[in-house]
Amino acid sequence: DAKTTQPNSMESNEEEPVHLPCNHSTISGTDYIHWYRQLPSQGPEYVIHGLTSNVNNRMASLAIAEDRKSSTLILHRATLRDAAVYYCILRDLNAGGTSYGKLTFGQGTILTVHP
Amino acid sequence: DGGITQSPKYLFRKEGQNVTLSCEQNLNHDAMYWYRQDPGQGLRLIYYSQIVNDFQKGDIAEGYSVSREKKESFPLTVTSAQKNPTAFYLCASSMDSGGWGNQPQHFGDGTRLSIL
Repeated sequence: DAKTTQPNSMESNEEEPVHLPCNHSTISGTDYIHWYRQLPSQGPEYVIHGLTSNVNNRMASLAIAEDRKSSTLILHRATLRDAAVYYCILRDLNAGGTSYGKLTFGQGTILTVHP
Repeated sequence: DGGITQSPKYLFRKEGQNVTLSCEQNLNHDAMYWYRQDPGQGLRLIYYSQIVNDFQKGDIAEGYSVSREKKESFPLTVTSAQKNPTAFYLCASSMDSGGWGNQPQHFGDGTRLSIL
């Protein structure tokens, strides 16, 4: 599976925008870029995903570099509830065999939001 | 609201005992998954099922068993053969149409299993 690299931790102030980077230099043409977040003692929560074009939903925006070797998750106004571990994951459109559909979580970025 | 329900939230197992963790979804998803998470670690896949009456081993299936008799249910049994069962167990589901990569996985809130 193609690998992603994220900073170990980031900090933000409440109500400010947050830009969480992810590098994926070995991404293939059929890899989708997924973002999940996990709050303490809870299951991961799907945030957003995309292939080539920038994506927006009610939770966040995903900005994908033109060469697709990096992407940025944008939280437009951070709240205390956004403090979590954020995971950037590549998911092959046509994953098969023993990797069939599974998500491979790395260490993620720990986001701390200050009041 | 649609979602995934895992129960119980906390579970304690005695040595030599089998325990079963419940996972139910009302999202009408075909694919379901069980993951294990150890403290400070990422998720590791135990079993997955693409369709009713079919399931496949993931990366760490030894000491675990599953069944998929109904589309909405995918229970996980932690057997006495699993020597280090203490962990956070997560169930997930997803659609399987339009390509795997284009489908998000939806997770339950997990079951925390401990050994007495």
